[in-house]
Amino acid sequence: EVQLLESGGGLVQPGGSLRLSCAASAFTFSNYAMSWVRQAPGKGLEWVSDLSGSGGSTYYADSVKGRFTISRDNSKNTLYLQMNTLRAEDTAVYYCARRIVGTIGDYFDYWGQGTLVTVSS
Amino acid sequence: DIQMTQSPSSLSASVGDRVTITCRASQSISNSLNWYQQKPGKAPKLLIYAASSLKSGVPSRFSGSGSGTDFTLTISSLQPDDFATYYCQQSFSTLSFGGGTKVEI
Repeated sequence: EVQLLESGGGLVQPGGSLRLSCAASAFTFSNYAMSWVRQAPGKGLEWVSDLSGSGGSTYYADSVKGRFTISRDNSKNTLYLQMNTLRAEDTAVYYCARRIVGTIGDYFDYWGQGTLVTVSS
Repeated sequence: DIQMTQSPSSLSASVGDRVTITCRASQSISNSLNWYQQKPGKAPKLLIYAASSLKSGVPSRFSGSGSGTDFTLTISSLQPDDFATYYCQQSFSTLSFGGGTKVEI
């Protein structure tokens, strides 16, 4: 069964950095676009960033552009999110998700369990 | 950016009720609309994609309809396992989610 397992969350001070990882298994990782989606405590879902299967195309929400960098290592079946210059408003559970982009739809079909990032002094 | 507005933000229902949740896009998104279910402390799960296609394994009591700007998610007979928060999400342009609808007893 497809599994996505995030790690790397924790408490960080404003202005600090953190790198999240998402380990994928049970599918051909390089064949799929991957995404990060976050959810602030008690709030709704917010798309953060996308990366194509090859890693050649990246996309970011305006709220994180210039501060976050998405990347992947297809040899390790792992997705990353490097988060710099963190702000209190970045506090959230961060989910990685597999994105299906096809002729019949464009959606997230599998999600990880999430990792909590808390930005606070 | 496309804004997604869900209504209601919460609703109370009983087992066996028919439940309808509405999602409206700020501009036409064709059928590029997905629905997810999320339970407390858990990741979202895909229910419906491309407005009306049921994900394999999802009970047939869930259905989606609509195109353009107006969409609905219907649960034909609410079951105990269905009490959760539901989100719509558009994939027509820069991805965005609705604010969620909490279905509670």
